[in-house]
Amino acid sequence: DTGVSQNPRHKITKRGQNVTFRCDPISEHNRLYWYRQTLGQGPEFLTYFQNEAQLEKSRLLSDRFSAERPKGSFSTLEIQRTEQGDSAMYLCASSLSGVPTSPLHFGNGTRLTVT
Amino acid sequence: KNQVEQSPQSLIILEGKNCTLQCNYTVSPFSNLRWYKQDTGRGPVSLTIMTFSENTKSNGRYTATLDADTKQSSLHITASQLSDSASYICVVSAQAAGNKLTFGGGTRVLVKP
Repeated sequence: DTGVSQNPRHKITKRGQNVTFRCDPISEHNRLYWYRQTLGQGPEFLTYFQNEAQLEKSRLLSDRFSAERPKGSFSTLEIQRTEQGDSAMYLCASSLSGVPTSPLHFGNGTRLTVT
Repeated sequence: KNQVEQSPQSLIILEGKNCTLQCNYTVSPFSNLRWYKQDTGRGPVSLTIMTFSENTKSNGRYTATLDADTKQSSLHITASQLSDSASYICVVSAQAAGNKLTFGGGTRVLVKP
């Protein structure tokens, strides 16, 4: 399977704990995106990388959220001091830059539940 | 502010019937419009991508239309199947760095036998 891979698929944590998610994009894709999706809503943009550079962050991404893509391949999204409002599906997507009609390829997400 | 509005929020159709989903957008400057299908618990999967100059594009039983003048798009599902039960998300891309996308809230389709 050469699609976008996300781990873990599910994460249950207690409020106040830190969590980290991983995304492995399609290997030849240089752009990587993180989105958050709550039930019945469309995905909301969090941040994106081109290679290892983080080029944009949404205002949704509070100081408790940090994302990295250290070698321009896989990426991690960390949430510190989780809150119940962080419960959502976190989606990762990848694409090719320089091609405006390049489709985003999404992973199947990490579902976070904060108790 | 860039916005994408979809209607209806949800619909139920009988297997074998057709249906049409609507998408209105206020995204500028417009680059392209995409429709995605999202099964429950899965990530969205691309169905179609249309640029300004394209009025219609098909992918199997899915046909998308685009009217860039009125800033409207529709997704038509022909001869629906049980596997078409999913959320359908309209996404509009602006001509900006980073392929900036604005997502609609989706239409939830349930196909009943």
